[in-house]
Amino acid sequence: DQQVKQNSPSLSVQEGRISILNCDYTNSMFDYFLWYKKYPAEGPTFLISISSIKDKNEDGRFTVFLNKSAKHLSLHIVPSQPGDSAVYFCGVTGSARQLTFGSGTQLTVLP
Amino acid sequence: SQTIHQWPATLVQPVGSPLSLECTVEGTSNPNLYWYRQAAGRGLQLLFYSVGIGQISSEVPQNLSASRPQDRQFILSSKKLLLSDSGFYLCAWSVGLNEKLFFGSGTQLSVL
Repeated sequence: DQQVKQNSPSLSVQEGRISILNCDYTNSMFDYFLWYKKYPAEGPTFLISISSIKDKNEDGRFTVFLNKSAKHLSLHIVPSQPGDSAVYFCGVTGSARQLTFGSGTQLTVLP
Repeated sequence: SQTIHQWPATLVQPVGSPLSLECTVEGTSNPNLYWYRQAAGRGLQLLFYSVGIGQISSEVPQNLSASRPQDRQFILSSKKLLLSDSGFYLCAWSVGLNEKLFFGSGTQLSVL
């Protein structure tokens, strides 16, 4: 029973272009959503989050969009840089439940 | 500031041997503590979490166990490792159960 799905295991984007990473969830009780970035052999680091009272949150080159009716979350990176190449995990939580992660998307930004 | 330490960074163990991975958090009191595993090509799977000393919740049945002997110490153990236990193990902490997690640097476990 996958509560969080990242249907694209990998994504390649040209440097300078936009990267869009997607995440779908099933439980409408989730109300806090996060994106983490992970380099090989390192722990994930927090990138950006959004609560269910918002539909957009922006931090520099990173913007997270939330579509509650579609139960869909996306991360936009503009412009993409080679250092952004990493695995990106979306995480969802709510109602005193622990964070549940998707399976991750490997982003490769080509120079 | 808060820091999380996890060791060792890499570990190679034979099948059937015991396991002990340790994690400590500094700079905060009564954190929620977690053990996650990232198996090859897979996402982050929650194994155990703890909301206090001696309180352990297991998310996935397996031959692993966890203990929290002190407020800021979390240990992952096994009496006999299986090949399928290989993976990247991550310790994490948070203030609340449904809040942002802070991860350690991970332990790459290879069971041969």
